Amino acid sequence: AQTVTQSQPEMSVQEAETVTLSCTYDTSESDYYLFWYKQPPSRQMILVIRQEAYKQQNATENRFSVNFQKAAKSFSLKISDSQLGDAAMYFCAYRSAVNAGNMLTFGGGTRLMVKP
Amino acid sequence: NAGVTQTPKFQVLKTGQSMTLQCAQDMNHNSMYWYRQDPGMGLRLIYYSASEGTTDKGEVPNGYNVSRLNKREFSLRLESAAPSQTSVYFCASRAAFSGNTIYFGEGSWLTVV
Repeated sequence: AQTVTQSQPEMSVQEAETVTLSCTYDTSESDYYLFWYKQPPSRQMILVIRQEAYKQQNATENRFSVNFQKAAKSFSLKISDSQLGDAAMYFCAYRSAVNAGNMLTFGGGTRLMVKP
Repeated sequence: NAGVTQTPKFQVLKTGQSMTLQCAQDMNHNSMYWYRQDPGMGLRLIYYSASEGTTDKGEVPNGYNVSRLNKREFSLRLESAAPSQTSVYFCASRAAFSGNTIYFGEGSWLTVV
């Protein structure tokens, strides 16, 4: 079974600065997807960014980018020019590309605080 | 766009009561999922349905049953609620192509007293 680990329960960043959230995962599969979800206090799950394991190029979405290291099984999220609205829980998630159901496996989350 | 709709959004139950959480998606997705999220934790899979007519257990299925009523609807039933089932429940869905994103409903807050 796959596992996802987020080793930082909380992180803090000054507004307009850059912060990196860490994620590692364990799998024996070669074909899979990785995601970062944002969960504000409303509890809504918002997709931030996704990465296909077969792609070497790191995904980017505006101020959000990832550092995907497949051999190291590491998938970190970098938030540039942090804004107050970025404050939320962030979850890293793994999904197999081949297994039936293709469900998401989540890490325990990192709470990001943004200081004005 | 409605997306994934869950009802009810809030519910308080007494221990031993039963209830059903309803979920419907209007995106013609094949796969549907039920997750629970306990305080300070990530989401854990309860049950999933890879396609209409099939259901399978996830990581934490005990105390729950599911029904994939049709392609649109996937319900979660608590037959005899326990305080340990106090949680936020999320329904999600995904299209057939394996690369497609999983979309979440807004969550249902359940408290069992």
